[in-house]
Amino acid sequence: DQQVKQNSPSLSVQEGRISILNCDYTNSMFDYFLWYKKYPAEGPTFLISISSIKDKNEDGRFTVFLNKSAKHLSLHIVPSQPGDSAVYFCAASAVTGGTSYGKLTFGQGTILTVHP
Amino acid sequence: ETGVTQTPRHLVMGMTNKKSLKCEQHLGHNAMYWYKQSAKKPLELMFVYNFKEQTENNSVPSRFSPECPNSSHLFLHLHTLQPEDSALYLCASSQDARVYGYTFGSGTRLTVV
Repeated sequence: DQQVKQNSPSLSVQEGRISILNCDYTNSMFDYFLWYKKYPAEGPTFLISISSIKDKNEDGRFTVFLNKSAKHLSLHIVPSQPGDSAVYFCAASAVTGGTSYGKLTFGQGTILTVHP
Repeated sequence: ETGVTQTPRHLVMGMTNKKSLKCEQHLGHNAMYWYKQSAKKPLELMFVYNFKEQTENNSVPSRFSPECPNSSHLFLHLHTLQPEDSALYLCASSQDARVYGYTFGSGTRLTVV
């Protein structure tokens, strides 16, 4: 049972336009959501996160939107740049047995290609 | 420098070999993780260690054996693997993954022949 899903395996966007990456989840206990970016031959790097008490979080060109009723989040990149071309993973976490360290459940990733 | 170092970066091993993957972090994080990334699949959690104690084994076959001698080091011992175990193995560490996420290493690309 995949609790975090990214239904678009790939997305192609022109430089300067908006990139919108989508993610759906099924577990109502998730209370933090994160986006990671991964370049080939490197580990994923943290991009932006959002708490379930918010519906929007912005950091420069990156904005994450959360729709709890739809169990859906999206990452907007504006304007898109060729250097943004990478695999983007969404991830979700919940308190695990009262521990603080947490664990993340990942989606399968979306390959973003930004064309010059 | 990501703060989490994995060695080796690439590994090719036969099905009868025994090898180990190493992960090291000096970020002061208390939790360390092993994830497996196969093509077109989500990252799969394998093991979690918190303060050197294993807190989660996500139904991983016994041919994968983790070891965490201290909060800074994590190993994954491999023996009698199968070709379908070929994947990218990622180590990560965290202080509070819920809020701050993980810091990942660059991974070990494992090929089982």
